[in-house]
Amino acid sequence: EIVLTQSPGTLSLSPGERATLSCRASQSVSSSYLAWYQQKPGQAPRLLIYGASSRATGIPDRFSGSGSGTDFTLTISRLEPEDFAVYYCQQYGSSPSTFGQGTKLEIK
Amino acid sequence: QVQLVQSGAEVKKPGASVKVSCKASGYTFTSYYMHWVRQAPGQGLEWMGIINPSGGSTSYAQKFQGRVTMTRDTSTSTVYMELSSLRSEDTAVYYCARGSIVGATLDAFDIWGQGTMVTVSS
Repeated sequence: EIVLTQSPGTLSLSPGERATLSCRASQSVSSSYLAWYQQKPGQAPRLLIYGASSRATGIPDRFSGSGSGTDFTLTISRLEPEDFAVYYCQQYGSSPSTFGQGTKLEIK
Repeated sequence: QVQLVQSGAEVKKPGASVKVSCKASGYTFTSYYMHWVRQAPGQGLEWMGIINPSGGSTSYAQKFQGRVTMTRDTSTSTVYMELSSLRSEDTAVYYCARGSIVGATLDAFDIWGQGTMVTVSS
């Protein structure tokens, strides 16, 4: 199965700053079938990005995804207070679908 | 609106089974595959398997083969996940999640249930 490694584990930033989250796969993710989710405490994950770079319905344009092959990035251009949460990447190009261990984005 | 509503929290003893339900509404139930994902306390997300609500075919993660059964009832637009031979390591929140593309098995998950906490304790 494909192992996804996210970095950093924790990212401390202030509102208004730019956040860059990384997701590296142990082997190439076919057809860029890579998604990003946001999860807040006590809530289900929310789909942000699919197909490595397409925003899901209703997701603000400050969220963007990029990458291909084994290296993917989620960028939040200007952090809003509601963006502080845990972010997961997921590959769904091969079975089993797998998730990264998460990056916690916390307020500095 | 499109939503998935799951059954309530469960407490089970080791060795028992649990069956979690997920009722879909606001869309054509048989058009989108449904996945189950679990999350142990303070941990990440783990994919368990997938069911085709139309024909009922399933595919399970190898880790859960032999212990998990996913079924559906088209008359009530409900999918079920049953996990048997429970152990303490199965304590987790269990989510159902809809695939985002009609008829696709390789898919991101655009709609999630609220989660069902299953606690396994003697």
